[in-house]
Amino acid sequence: DIQMTQSPSSLSASVGDRVTITCQASQDISNYLNWYQQKPGKAPNLLIFDASILETGVPSRFSASGSGTDFTFTISSLQPEDIATYYCHQYDNFPPSFGQGTKLDIK
Amino acid sequence: EVQLVESGGGIVQPGGSLRLSCEASGFTFRSFWMHWVRQAPGKGLVWVSRINSDGTSTNYADSVKGRFTISRDNAKSTLYLQMNSLRAEDTAVYYCVRDDNSGTLDSWGQGTLVTVSS
Repeated sequence: DIQMTQSPSSLSASVGDRVTITCQASQDISNYLNWYQQKPGKAPNLLIFDASILETGVPSRFSASGSGTDFTFTISSLQPEDIATYYCHQYDNFPPSFGQGTKLDIK
Repeated sequence: EVQLVESGGGIVQPGGSLRLSCEASGFTFRSFWMHWVRQAPGKGLVWVSRINSDGTSTNYADSVKGRFTISRDNAKSTLYLQMNSLRAEDTAVYYCVRDDNSGTLDSWGQGTLVTVSS
């Protein structure tokens, strides 16, 4: 099974800050990686698919890149509504697997 | 608009059974693979099971294999998860999730809470 390692596990930043989360796969997954946002008490919401493609309706301050084993998710200017937990998800190999999550809050 | 509405969660004793349902609307249900993903309280997301569009192929996480059964009724646009021999570690919110047919989980239900406790 592929292990997905996210870092950091938690992050505190100020409004307007640039925020970066990384996700590392235990083996090559090409670009078969998604990023999800989960706000407290809500279901996850797809933000980015295929490693770097922004889902329709997602603000352009969100971006991501990477391929193979190393991936990066960035919020260019943190907004109060971005407070959430973020998960990476690989779907290259069965079974699909998620990172452990990065909890983001406002400093 | 895609809508996925789960039901059937509740409190059950260890060793008991529960059947979850997920009613889909806003898209052609019979054309999409579907998944169940769960989240224990305060924990991360864990994939549970998937089923192909016509229901002829299913897969399970090792932790639930032999105890859970995923199925679907395309005429009713409904996904199911039959959960038997439930354990305390099965306690979680269970999400019904649509697969865009490439593996991306693109639409999620609101979840239904299953609590296994005596």
